[in-house]
Amino acid sequence: QKEVEQDPGPLSVPEGAIVSLNCTYSNSAFQYFMWYRQYSRKGPELLMYTYSSGNKEDGRFTAQVDKSSKYISLFIRDSQPSDSATYLCAMSGTGGFKTIFGAGTRLFVKA
Amino acid sequence: DVKVTQSSRYLVKRTGEKVFLECVQDMDHENMFWYRQDPGLGLRLIYFSYDVKMKEKGDIPEGYSVSREKKERFSLILESASTNQTSMYLCASSSGRAEQYFGPGTRLTVT
Repeated sequence: QKEVEQDPGPLSVPEGAIVSLNCTYSNSAFQYFMWYRQYSRKGPELLMYTYSSGNKEDGRFTAQVDKSSKYISLFIRDSQPSDSATYLCAMSGTGGFKTIFGAGTRLFVKA
Repeated sequence: DVKVTQSSRYLVKRTGEKVFLECVQDMDHENMFWYRQDPGLGLRLIYFSYDVKMKEKGDIPEGYSVSREKKERFSLILESASTNQTSMYLCASSSGRAEQYFGPGTRLTVT
């Protein structure tokens, strides 16, 4: 079993839709939960990160962490064609610098 | 603006060649990482370094070595390139356990 599971998609939605992206994990030692966005032929860029449990909001993006279920989510409101990219979840613990990445979900937002 | 640069965007090498991939960051970060990214497998850590001249093996170090002689520079070396090392190589740097800043990637093809 992989430490981090993420549905690869692709996920196709119409412009304006609410998008929900999810990851599950198995290691209860993870404390930092990140979401990266990667456009085609570019390196990933950090969108948001959360420490421990709870929600975090930044503009149209909301990150949620449910440590009891080992489940994290990223919601995108009012999705735009410019949101079309691959979204990677990532996690790390407090014992070192190693980060585990999900395989990424490919999102298409149709105009 | 933070910046991580990689020496080449695209590289084609022959089997058995020695390959050098170079990464430079201008953020004075202590930590630097080398990943490879393959479809369906996500990002896999090859090596990381938390200080000059210090290095730690990641999940897939076989066939690779690294060098960090200066804080801003982290090199990945393929001692004898093989076709199964054809991949996208991503360098990243960080100062903590959450945010990593990625370079644009080097797409390496070994023929």
